[in-house]
Amino acid sequence: EVQLLESGGGLVQPGGSLRLSCAASGFTFSNYAMSWVRQAPGKGLEWVSSISGSGGSTYYADSVKGHFTISRDNSKNTLYLQMISLRAEDTALYYCAKGPRWYMDVWGKGTTVTVSS
Amino acid sequence: DIQMTQSPSTLSASVGDRVTITCRASQSVRSWLAWYQQKPGKAPKLLIYDASRLESGVPSRFSGSGSGTEFTLTISSLQPDDFATYYCQQYNSYSGAFTFGPGTKVDVK
Repeated sequence: EVQLLESGGGLVQPGGSLRLSCAASGFTFSNYAMSWVRQAPGKGLEWVSSISGSGGSTYYADSVKGHFTISRDNSKNTLYLQMISLRAEDTALYYCAKGPRWYMDVWGKGTTVTVSS
Repeated sequence: DIQMTQSPSTLSASVGDRVTITCRASQSVRSWLAWYQQKPGKAPKLLIYDASRLESGVPSRFSGSGSGTEFTLTISSLQPDDFATYYCQQYNSYSGAFTFGPGTKVDVK
């Protein structure tokens, strides 16, 4: 069974940092693009970032460019999202999702990030 | 950036109704269009990809159509399990970016 399990969320002060992880199982991780999508409380879905299967290509929404970094460790079947200089507007439930490149066919349950003093 | 709109934002319907949701893109996205269903407190679920291809395991009452800038999601006969919010999503093959529509909530009439 394909599974994605996010972790690493929590409460952080404005300007702080967090690293989210997404552990994947049930499929050949390196064969698929992976993405992060977030959802602020009571709001819609917002794409954050994607990475190719090899990790050689990365893509970011303008809203996070320069302060989020996506990466993956194919030997550990794990996707990451390093977040720095966090702002209140980054408060959201963060989902990881599996490719292929142009849509997302499996989603995790999400991890919550709250940016507040 | 490609902008996505959905209409209506809320749709009130009854079990058995035929339901149609429209998604429009600010420029052509060819067939790089997917539809997702999300229920409260749950992750989104893929329903349709490539504008009209039904994801495995999704009931055949769901269908998608369109290409270019205008797309529709149709539920042929609304079931109790279908009350949810539906999002369209486009993929820009040039930039690698995704954009979701604002969502359409289907609730009980």
